[in-house]
Amino acid sequence: NAGVTQTPKFRVLKTGQSMTLLCAQDMNHEYMYWYRQDPGMGLRLIHYSVGEGTTAKGEVPDGYNVSRLKKQNFLLGLESAAPSQTSVYFCASSDRLRSGTGKEKLFFGSGTQLSVL
Amino acid sequence: AQSVTQPDIHITVSEGASLELRCNYSYGATPYLFWYVQSPGQGLQLLLKYFSGDTLVQGIKGFEAEFKRSQSSFNLRKPSVHWSDAAEYFCAVETANAGGTSYGKLTFGQGTILTVHP
Repeated sequence: NAGVTQTPKFRVLKTGQSMTLLCAQDMNHEYMYWYRQDPGMGLRLIHYSVGEGTTAKGEVPDGYNVSRLKKQNFLLGLESAAPSQTSVYFCASSDRLRSGTGKEKLFFGSGTQLSVL
Repeated sequence: AQSVTQPDIHITVSEGASLELRCNYSYGATPYLFWYVQSPGQGLQLLLKYFSGDTLVQGIKGFEAEFKRSQSSFNLRKPSVHWSDAAEYFCAVETANAGGTSYGKLTFGQGTILTVHP
């Protein structure tokens, strides 16, 4: 059981380049999330999805786009990378039936370290 | 808006000493609160959570946390720290939209880095 898998694990981009981060989960979870982690700021929600074909903005959505064409995959895109997007990106998923009760558990991927030069 | 504050950026303790990591939250209703731990280069692992009932919550790895509504706090404790506990710890609160639905979204604190001396 792989859980939540993120690819790639590391990436270096030049300013203005584009890229897509892939998140895949094999737990049949409805909800998926993209967070970014920066020193001293904890994790901040970028975008999230409550089901196939749906996406919604989180706390820091600017400069990112997302898609959820398949239930198991959640893609995060950077159309024109900026140095301010240098960060560690985490994908997570959770079970809809347990959400909103305090009983859900987020399953996290191991992260993608992105550097934008 | 919901928010979480972890006042201590970095804490150093000796192995075998007791530990308390502070967490304060801002939330209008009854909060659902979590503590996660992150080892270097790894994702986050859930230590424990509070959603109702007993205000003293037991978690994995010998950790516990106490919910104090009057102080808006959810501090994490461990009676005797092991070297393997060195990591970064995050407190989080489940975050609802304007309509009151959370969809499992969490708002995280800034994190506390724990260093353990032998």
